[in-house]
Parts: sequence; structure tokens; C-alpha cells
Amino acid sequence: SQQGEEDPQALSIQEGENATMNCSYKTSINNLQWYRQNSGRGLVHLILIRSNEREKHSGRLRVTLDTSKKSSSLLITASRAADTASYFCATDDTGANSKLTFGKGITLSVRP
Amino acid sequence: NAGVTQTPKFRVLKTGQSMTLLCAQDMNHEYMYWYRQDPGMGLRLIHYSVGEGTTAKGEVPDGYNVSRLKKQNFLLGLESAAPSQTSVYFCASLPAVTYNEQFFGPGTRLTVL
Repeated sequence: SQQGEEDPQALSIQEGENATMNCSYKTSINNLQWYRQNSGRGLVHLILIRSNEREKHSGRLRVTLDTSKKSSSLLITASRAADTASYFCATDDTGANSKLTFGKGITLSVRP
Repeated sequence: NAGVTQTPKFRVLKTGQSMTLLCAQDMNHEYMYWYRQDPGMGLRLIHYSVGEGTTAKGEVPDGYNVSRLKKQNFLLGLESAAPSQTSVYFCASLPAVTYNEQFFGPGTRLTVL
């Protein structure tokens, strides 16, 4: 069963704008990860945030984690057309032996 | 390094036929995973392996078998393909349990008629 639920399902923005994507989950986690998938390709790891962290940055990416609300958000600043892709959150659940549970994904379109 | 590779890239089967999907990684990773991706469903774990010679069931194991005879290879078998197994299959690997990023292959698109 899906653990992460992303919101919105689809997002369309203009190049240069910021994109915010949200993920909610249900059980306790070791960490939460975000992956990107370009059309017809495999998934690429973007960023990981551990359960004892609240915020993390990597280049134009900023991820937050609120374990009390069981939610995370991914912010992509100054978006580019090349950011057009599907984005997935994945949870590494406590006791799951490094098995990831993926959400259904968010489709981001960045208009030039 | 080639990373994670998958063979074949595309395949069309008839109902009842069998086939094996091959995943290979050259990074000496301990853990390997097979997922399927269906429209609107995200990725679901089929089977996984925590080391050479080991396999375990994931979320949707029915209709599939796996083997990990060599550390670098993880095979996914369909003994009698069904249309419900039409999907895109992804393999992933992980160095060890203390390292959390999974590395994904490019996928195999399988159609069962």
C-alpha cells in the first residue's frame, strides 16, 4: 500500500517561479527521500531528510520534514524547463529493512 | 561504471508465455530491488534481496519469482504472463542498509497481450 501521498498531483508553473510539492505519510519513518523521474527514464535520487532533521538544502532544492504532522515539502527555487519531470516522495519506514514506499508522484511542468 | 542496467528495454509477450528480466549492477551493492510502475500508482515493490543468495517478498509478489545467485545480478521471472503484468519494471540497488539512496536502472517496458 502507498505510504506517501503527494500533493498536488500536477503542477504547472512558469520558468523562474518556485515549485512547492507536498508529501504526507502514515507511519513512523527513518527518513524521507525525494526522487525525480524524467519521461521514459528511471528515478534519480534528489535529497534525503532524516527523521531527526527539520530542513535540508541542496542547490535549488529545499526539503522540510514535520514528523508531528507526518508531512514533508519539497521546494524547487527558480525553476527551469529542465525541471519538468515527475517527482516522488519515498519513505524508509521504521523496521522496513531499507525498503522504500513510494507515493504516486507529482507531475511538474515548467513552461519556458 | 555502467551503474544499474536492465535487459531487455522492451518486450511484448502473449498471455501464458514466460520470460526473465535481468538486472545487473557493477557497484558491488548488497541490496537489490524490483519495482513495477503503473499509471497513477507510483512504484510498488515486487521482491527484494539483502545479499547474494537471499530473496524476500515485497508488496506485490504474486506471479513473479526472483533469484540472486550472483551479487551483481537480480533476475525477475514471470512464469505465466498475464495482461495484469503489463507495466514498466524498474530495478534498483543500495550499497548497504546504512546508506539510503537507491540507484535505479532505466526500466523495462513489458506488454502482455
